[in-house]
Amino acid sequence: QVQLQESGPGLVKPSQDLSLICSVSGGSISSGNYYWSWIRQHPGKGLEWIGYIYYSGSTYYNPSLKSRVSISVDTSKNQFSLKLSSVTAADTAVYYCARKGNYYTFDYWGQGTLVPVSS
Amino acid sequence: QSALTQPASVSGSPGQSITISCTGTSSDVGAYNYVSWYQQHPGKAPKLMIYEVTNRPSGVSNRFSGSKSGNTASLTISGLQAEDEADYYCSSYTSTSTVVFGGGTKLTVL
Repeated sequence: QVQLQESGPGLVKPSQDLSLICSVSGGSISSGNYYWSWIRQHPGKGLEWIGYIYYSGSTYYNPSLKSRVSISVDTSKNQFSLKLSSVTAADTAVYYCARKGNYYTFDYWGQGTLVPVSS
Repeated sequence: QSALTQPASVSGSPGQSITISCTGTSSDVGAYNYVSWYQQHPGKAPKLMIYEVTNRPSGVSNRFSGSKSGNTASLTISGLQAEDEADYYCSSYTSTSTVVFGGGTKLTVL
């Protein structure tokens, strides 16, 4: 059973970079035709796809965030990461990592981590 | 990319059936059979309920079914139960190799 777990700072100041790590267990991040994804949810709002990465490093990003987002992968640690630059209060959200399986479906999710952006 | 359009809320009584719509464009919902539906209870991560328009993952009740016509996909829940009360989100693959979600629908079981 694949499990994902987000980790990162509990608070980020405006204009700084937001960095999160997703640790994957129960399977290798390098196996299968999977993309490893970041999705966020603003408080009380809907889901927003941020982007995903293949173990080889190939990435796809939401056009609305592309200029500020970078997703990377570390196969040796079975982890992938999110970096969102120059954050504002509008980036306050619960950030989820998830596995994109076949059919462009997110079949396994982390529990999510709330990242407030505040001075 | 614009979010897919879902009704903000729907409601139904136990035992009844409800349908949630998800309207996109000819560049996403209408172009591909890569529509998924997710259920989210408060404070929890989303759970996959339907993939590839009509398919249910193992363990998901057959009371949940999906369909699509043109640019609109639909999720139907039959035999409503109290535990079905949750937020529901659709998603679709798009022609620009991205994924877009719907705005979400709050289901209330009366």
